[in-house]
Amino acid sequence: QVQLVESGGGVVQPGRSLRLSCAASGFIFNNYGMNWVRQAPGKGLEWVAVISHEGSNKYYGDSVKGRFTISRDNSKKTLYLEMNSLRAEDTAVYYCAKVLSKWEPHYFDYWGQGTLVTVSS
Amino acid sequence: DIVMTQSPDSLAVSLGERATINCKSSQSLLDSSDNKNYLAWYQQKPGQPPNLLIYWASTRESGVPDRFTGSGSGTHFTLTISSLQAEDVAVYYCHQYYSTPPAFGGGTKVEIK
Repeated sequence: QVQLVESGGGVVQPGRSLRLSCAASGFIFNNYGMNWVRQAPGKGLEWVAVISHEGSNKYYGDSVKGRFTISRDNSKKTLYLEMNSLRAEDTAVYYCAKVLSKWEPHYFDYWGQGTLVTVSS
Repeated sequence: DIVMTQSPDSLAVSLGERATINCKSSQSLLDSSDNKNYLAWYQQKPGQPPNLLIYWASTRESGVPDRFTGSGSGTHFTLTISSLQAEDVAVYYCHQYYSTPPAFGGGTKVEIK
């Protein structure tokens, strides 16, 4: 069965960096685009970034553009989110989410359990 | 960018009664090339990730009870729970995947009256 397991969350000071990981199993990882979606405490869902199946195409939400970098290692079946210059408003649960396409927008058919990032001094 | 607007923000429905959630998009989500509406619905229970309920506006995901029905086309969509059960208490989100960036509605919290 499809499993997505995020890790790397924690408490970090404003301006610092953090790298999240999402380990995938149960499907052919390099066939599908992958996304990060976040949810601030008590708030709704906000899409963060997408990467194509082979890693060559990437797109970011305006709130993270220039600060966050999405990447993947298909040999390790792992998705990453490198987060730099973190701000208090980046505090959220970060979910990785799979789509059924290689790159085009699609519905999210599987989600991980999420990892909490808290940006605080 | 496409903006998604859900209503109401919350609603309380008696067990066994109907719950209706609305979702409006700022642009049409209907692709004339395949005649599909690029709209999905998710259910999120407390402490859990979102769970896919409906895609292509009206196709139920495998395992989703048939009391959940998605309808609508173009810019106006509806999720209907025909007979609310206790396990349906959750927040429901619509999501457009017609274009990048994808976008979610603000969510509708469904409670028992």
